[in-house]
Amino acid sequence: GAVVSQHPSWVICKSGTSVKIECRSLDFQATTMFWYRQFPKQSLMLMATSNEGSKATYEQGVEKDKFLINHASLTLSTLTVTSAHPEDSSFYICSAGLPGGAVQETQYFGPGTRLLVL
Amino acid sequence: AQSVSQHNHHVILSEAASLELGCNYSYGGTVNLFWYVQYPGQHLQLLLKYFSGDPLVKGIKGFEAEFIKSKFSFNLRKPSVQWSDTAEYFCAVNLLYGGSQGNLIFGKGTKLSVKP
Repeated sequence: GAVVSQHPSWVICKSGTSVKIECRSLDFQATTMFWYRQFPKQSLMLMATSNEGSKATYEQGVEKDKFLINHASLTLSTLTVTSAHPEDSSFYICSAGLPGGAVQETQYFGPGTRLLVL
Repeated sequence: AQSVSQHNHHVILSEAASLELGCNYSYGGTVNLFWYVQYPGQHLQLLLKYFSGDPLVKGIKGFEAEFIKSKFSFNLRKPSVQWSDTAEYFCAVNLLYGGSQGNLIFGKGTKLSVKP
C-alpha cells in the first residue's frame, strides 16, 4: 500500500517549452504532497508543499511563476516547469502524506522524474 | 540555517562487515529523525524513524539507528551488511516548531557499495 507514482519518468524538452510532471497517490488519498528537486550528488531540496484545494506553499528562492503546482484532487498533484531552461534540468521527486496522521510520519515518495532541457 | 550532514559520500564494504553511517543535524529544538534508502533504480523508501521514546530504533532489514541528543546525531548501523544493501542512504530531519511540523531537511546521501 501507499504507492506514489510519477509521470513521466524522464523527459527531454527544448529550451522555452513547458513541461508538466504528474504525481499520483495510487491507493490512498493525499491531502498534502511535496515536490523536491535533487541535483547530482546533492540532497533533496524541498521546492513546495502542495495542499489539495488550496495554493501551494513555496520554499524561499523557488519561483512560483516558474514552477506551477496544482493539487486539484486528493490523488493528483502536478508540477509544471514553465519556459524551461537548461538550468532547470534536474531530478524532480514528489512525495505524499497519508491523511489522518502526522504528515511527515507517513510520507511516501515517488520514483522521480528526470528532466533534461536542451 | 538548519542543515543535515552525512559525513561519508561513498562507503565500500565487503559482505558481513559492520556498517555505521553518520548523520548530524544543526538545530537545538525538537526533531523527528528519519533514514531513507534508495536502491538502484527505485524510489526512496523509509528505513526507520525516531519520534520519541527509546533513542535506539530498529528498522527494516536489520538496520537500527541511535539518537544521541547531546551530539545532535542519528547514526545508522547494521551489524552485518549484505550485497543487497547496496544503495544510497539519506538521513532526514523534521524540525518541530511549537508542536507543528516543519518540512523534511535531507542530507546529501551516502552511497553504500557492498562487495560480494
